[in-house]
Amino acid sequence: QLVLTQSPSASASLGASVKLTCTLSSGHSSYAIAWHQQQPEKGPRYLMKLNSDGSHSKGDGIPDRFSGSSSGAERYLTISSLQSEDEADYYCQTWGTGILVFGTGTKVTVL
Amino acid sequence: QVQLVESGGGVVQPGGSLRLSCAASGFTFSSYGMHWVRQAPGKGLEWVAFIRYDGSNKYYADSVKGRFTISRDNSKNTLYLQMNSLRAEDTAVYYCASFNDAFDIWGQGTMVTVSS
Repeated sequence: QLVLTQSPSASASLGASVKLTCTLSSGHSSYAIAWHQQQPEKGPRYLMKLNSDGSHSKGDGIPDRFSGSSSGAERYLTISSLQSEDEADYYCQTWGTGILVFGTGTKVTVL
Repeated sequence: QVQLVESGGGVVQPGGSLRLSCAASGFTFSSYGMHWVRQAPGKGLEWVAFIRYDGSNKYYADSVKGRFTISRDNSKNTLYLQMNSLRAEDTAVYYCASFNDAFDIWGQGTMVTVSS
């Protein structure tokens, strides 16, 4: 079964970096994923697509502070130089045949 | 610019029906598959349904199979979600979205509340 696992929360200080992890279930380590950001009281926003080799393509207007990387079944989103507006929920998502699968989301708090 | 705008949300009684619409602009709507995704209050994102670019194939989450129907009118650049036999647990913000090789976009969402 295709499942994405995310930690429920992460935090870092203003100006620091934070690295979020999304883990693909067994047998699905080659899958690409996408990262989405959802700021409080707003709809989701597409950040990037991240491939198993670590290559990624960001959406329009996504700052360079957001980057992605991969290792095995793990997909990472790193936010550098954290800003207050980065405080949000971050969801990873992948594709099955005709379906989307979402992780449970990670809430990022900027201290 | 590429844009999706949902409409049709509202308050409906349990067992009732509602039809959501998603108006697309800024791209060739008939060339891309489309999804509905929902988010219950305080919860995460849940995929609901997908329709291929030409309507030839449709897929549904188990939670809505047999009750919801996704469809599209490519002449009107509009995606639909017909929701029947609504339950309290269907209360959510419903988003249309498209993720493909050319672009990735979410609509702003429309709220559906199922309550007596």
